[in-house]
Amino acid sequence: SYELTQPPSVSVSPGQTARITCSGDALPKQYAYWYQQKPGQAPVLVIYKDSERPSGIPERFSGSSSGTTVTLTISGVQAEDEADYYCQSADSSGTLYVVFGGGTKLTVL
Amino acid sequence: QVQLVQSGAEVKKPGASVKVSCKASGYTFTGYYMHWVRQAPGQGLEWMGWINPNSGGTNYAQKFQGRVTMTRDTSISTAYMELSRLRSDDTAVYYCARDRLDCTNGVCSPHFDYWGQGTLVTVSS
Repeated sequence: SYELTQPPSVSVSPGQTARITCSGDALPKQYAYWYQQKPGQAPVLVIYKDSERPSGIPERFSGSSSGTTVTLTISGVQAEDEADYYCQSADSSGTLYVVFGGGTKLTVL
Repeated sequence: QVQLVQSGAEVKKPGASVKVSCKASGYTFTGYYMHWVRQAPGQGLEWMGWINPNSGGTNYAQKFQGRVTMTRDTSISTAYMELSRLRSDDTAVYYCARDRLDCTNGVCSPHFDYWGQGTLVTVSS
């Protein structure tokens, strides 16, 4: 079955840049999406189609793609950005079979 | 505004079934696929499947095939997810999520722009 691989944790100090990667064989063929989830809350979409930002999401959130890896970058990290981040994509079979990465806990030191 | 409002928490015994509802408002219910995603305590997000509210067609994750049934009632803009033969490891928060499908050059990419508030299902003897 198709998998997306994320690092379990990333730690940065306030004001620094956080980068969270997500790897998967189908990523060159399928877009990736990123969600932020804070404790006790439903996930929130922060990046769509690899690098687009939904309205209302701060400009410090950005996304990029290179081959089988996509990256979520948070520039000038703030304390409120501490959360779990999940990448999501689909397999390339055309059946809309969704896959999530295992999630990355972002800790703001 | 778009809202997905789910039914309340459930406590079930092993072997029983649970049916969670997700009432949609603020948009045309039949215009967007609805997915179900679950999250066990302290764990990540796990996709369960989708339903096309227009046709009733479904696609389930292989892990849940034979145990999950997704249905809808278009007259009340509500989607349902029923999970049978419950086990303790089915204890989780279950979310419905609206699919904002991106289709470009013949490739369609599902993703979720609105989520329900989640329904905690506890399976315990």
